[in-house]
Amino acid sequence: DIQMTQSPSSLSASVGDRVTITCRASRSITSYLNWYQQKPGKAPKLLIYSASSLQSGVPSRFSGSGSGTDFTLTISSLQPEDFATYYCQQSYSTRKTFGQGTKVEMK
Amino acid sequence: EVQLVESGGGLVKPGGSLRLSCAASGFTFSSYSINWVRQAPGKGLEWVSSISSSSTYIYYADSVKGRFTVSRDNAKNSVFLLMNTLRAEDTALYYCARDPSTVLPAAPLDYWGQGTLVTVSS
Repeated sequence: DIQMTQSPSSLSASVGDRVTITCRASRSITSYLNWYQQKPGKAPKLLIYSASSLQSGVPSRFSGSGSGTDFTLTISSLQPEDFATYYCQQSYSTRKTFGQGTKVEMK
Repeated sequence: EVQLVESGGGLVKPGGSLRLSCAASGFTFSSYSINWVRQAPGKGLEWVSSISSSSTYIYYADSVKGRFTVSRDNAKNSVFLLMNTLRAEDTALYYCARDPSTVLPAAPLDYWGQGTLVTVSS
């Protein structure tokens, strides 16, 4: 299986901050990398697919980049509703593995 | 509106079995793969299984292979996950999620249900 590693595991930030989360694949997944947001008690929500394509309805402050093995999720100006856990997932292989998650907490 | 509703969770003893269901509506069910993803209490997401639109392609995580069986009934817009020989480590919230890989290769999981809780304990 392709292993996905996110960093950091958690971070503290303030409203208005620029936040960056990284995700590394154990081998090349070209651009087949997706990002999800999960809030407590809720199902995950797709934010970005194919590394950099914004899912319909997702605010433009979210962006993704990268290819091969290294990827980044950026929130340009953190909003109160963005405090959540973020997961990357590869869809390159048939077994679509997830990273361990990054919890974004309020500073 | 796309909807996925899981059911069938509950408390089961180690070694027991449980059958989860995922009922879909609001889209052409027979054109989409469906994935199962689980989340142990306080933990991250773990991909469990997937079934293609016509059941041709089925995949499992190593952690459940040989114990879990996924199936679907396109006439009833439903997917099932039969879980046998359950272990304590299978305790989790189980989500089903829509996968457009039939029309979009290497697609993400674009819609998710709210999950059904499985607890394995004596």
